[in-house]
Amino acid sequence: QSVLTQPPSVSEAPRQRVTISCSGSSSNIGNNAVNWYQQVPGKAPKLLIYYNDQLSSGVSDRFSGSKSGTSASLAISGLQSEDEADYYCAVWDDSLNGPVFGGGTKLTVL
Amino acid sequence: EVQLVESGGGLVKPGGSLRLSCAASGLTFTNAWMNWVRQAPGKGLEWVGRIKSKGDGGTADYAAPVKGRFTLSRDDSKKTLYLHMYSLKPEDTAVYYCSSSIAALFEHWGLGTLVTVSS
Repeated sequence: QSVLTQPPSVSEAPRQRVTISCSGSSSNIGNNAVNWYQQVPGKAPKLLIYYNDQLSSGVSDRFSGSKSGTSASLAISGLQSEDEADYYCAVWDDSLNGPVFGGGTKLTVL
Repeated sequence: EVQLVESGGGLVKPGGSLRLSCAASGLTFTNAWMNWVRQAPGKGLEWVGRIKSKGDGGTADYAAPVKGRFTLSRDDSKKTLYLHMYSLKPEDTAVYYCSSSIAALFEHWGLGTLVTVSS
């Protein structure tokens, strides 16, 4: 049971837009910056978005991040088959005094 | 280009020990805060622990499931991070990734090394 809650899976058609949510609390998202990672099956995770809404170097601008209160979201527009992957949010937790990951969301491009 | 290369994984019996290594290049290792993050088969990412740069105190912090059993260390002259794992349990079975970080911003990742704890 992760401290951060993500939907286990989302799916959408190519060229459409999808959002992935990450829900936390005042000790993590409410007080610290959120980062997002993409993990293609069998590969290492890759940093996508840092400090809530900053695009990591080399990442397509089809990806965007936002945060409000104790929740954050990752949006992917113009979906492509290559976007099929697992997506994780991560944030520092002041109560645990360490970083925590969401449970991950599997994105399927129909 | 930053490269992190993990090694040392393998099959170990419950109660056994193992040492993982992470060799870094293309990174100012001396200034880097280094982490281990693991992923059990079919599961999500789990932070294991972090060691600060010596300039920031060089101390290590651990996740609750491994505290007291795992120890992080670093050799800045070799640009290498280590994870010493003791009293291993089947639930420690995972791919272990090395990563450089600032708080929960894990910027660079290695390809991982698989640890299997089984009799």
